[in-house]
Amino acid sequence: AQKVTQAQTEISVVEKEDVTLDCVYETRDTTYYLFWYKQPPSGELVFLIRRNSFDEQNEISGRYSWNFQKSTSSFNFTITASQVVDSAVYFCALSEEGSGNTGKLIFGQGTTLQVKP
Amino acid sequence: EAGVAQSPRYKIIEKRQSVAFWCNPISGHATLYWYQQILGQGPKLLIQFQNNGVVDDSQLPKDRFSAERLKGVDSTLKIQPAKLEDSAVYLCASSLVGQMNTEAFFGQGTRLTVV
Repeated sequence: AQKVTQAQTEISVVEKEDVTLDCVYETRDTTYYLFWYKQPPSGELVFLIRRNSFDEQNEISGRYSWNFQKSTSSFNFTITASQVVDSAVYFCALSEEGSGNTGKLIFGQGTTLQVKP
Repeated sequence: EAGVAQSPRYKIIEKRQSVAFWCNPISGHATLYWYQQILGQGPKLLIQFQNNGVVDDSQLPKDRFSAERLKGVDSTLKIQPAKLEDSAVYLCASSLVGQMNTEAFFGQGTRLTVV
């Protein structure tokens, strides 16, 4: 069963538009962490944020914000006033205590974001 | 601080040939991961090392894939013999420790094409 679902395969926006990337996860653990990573064309995954299951406070970092809702098992990512440099593949990932607390990441399928000038 | 280094960046081989990938993690990182990323999918963990011991290799196709981490630093991942479905990007990552709250740092990956 898919544990992390990113239903949006591709999103295309025009620069300065706001865009939200959806992430829905599934776990039976009460203790877990959720992550967002960015994968630019160069290939490496760049860490954006980590959130633990006990902290439902939304977080804002510059133009980026994250909305974590345990009631709907969602951890959505919003980019405000998008820029061309935001174009990349974005991955949501889950790390569970039940997986042995090893740091193993379970990734979603990724959402390709294209920001046009 | 130097990041995770991987080589080669690209490799094209014929099916049934063998291939090896190399990874040098960030200095001081005890945990090293190899992920396989098939086109259009998210990365999937193949194997995880803690120092030079294997923590998780449950998803490693052991009939053809092998990996080692000698002296708890560099690691190599080998495929022998390769199949067409092995075409993917192989990502190496490292972290200070292997715990669920730990940020992993990724290399640029090796793109393997099996023809």
